[in-house]
Amino acid sequence: QVQLQESGPGLVKPSETLSLTCTVSGYSISNGYYWGWIRQPPGKGLEWIGYIHYTGTTYYSPSLKSRVTISINTSKNQFSLKLSSVTAADTAVYYCARDVGLVSPVDYWGQGTLVTVSS
Amino acid sequence: SYVLTQPPSVSVAPGQTASITCGGNNIETRSVHWYQQKPGQAPVLVISYDSDRPSGIPERFSGSNSGNTATLTITRAEAGDEADYYCQVWDTTSDHRVFGGGTKLTVL
Repeated sequence: QVQLQESGPGLVKPSETLSLTCTVSGYSISNGYYWGWIRQPPGKGLEWIGYIHYTGTTYYSPSLKSRVTISINTSKNQFSLKLSSVTAADTAVYYCARDVGLVSPVDYWGQGTLVTVSS
Repeated sequence: SYVLTQPPSVSVAPGQTASITCGGNNIETRSVHWYQQKPGQAPVLVISYDSDRPSGIPERFSGSNSGNTATLTITRAEAGDEADYYCQVWDTTSDHRVFGGGTKLTVL
């Protein structure tokens, strides 16, 4: 059974960089698929952040592209999100997720982790 | 950028049929996926590729996609179906995933 688990600070100061890691178990990320991040501000809808293919190719949301970096570490079976210059608008539950392909649905989700941007 | 439009809320009586729409320009040319999200939980896929039902999803859930509207239909609605529902497509013109704004389904 594939499982994804987010980890990282729950509180980030404005203007700093948000960093999260997703640890995957039950599947080797070097075997394929797309690995990505989706967020949900409190009381609001889902917002896609971006993907990384296991080969390293990345796809980012146009609205976040200038601030987002997604990377992959196959030796640790992890992938990571960095979001720079955060503001209160970046406060959200951040989910890591797996996709079979670009036009495919998300088939596995992490449980989500709340990140609050506040001084 | 491609936009998906969902009604903010839909209400249905127990045992009746609920229809949740997802509007988008020529959406019938895209594969639409639907997710159910209950409070405090991660979303769960309920319909993929317009009308496919993943393993474990009741037959009461079905989907269709035609013209500018995709529809998630829930027959014989139950209290346990109360949740937020999101549609999603891949925008091939700009290579990014798009979610609808979500619809809160109330069973009353």
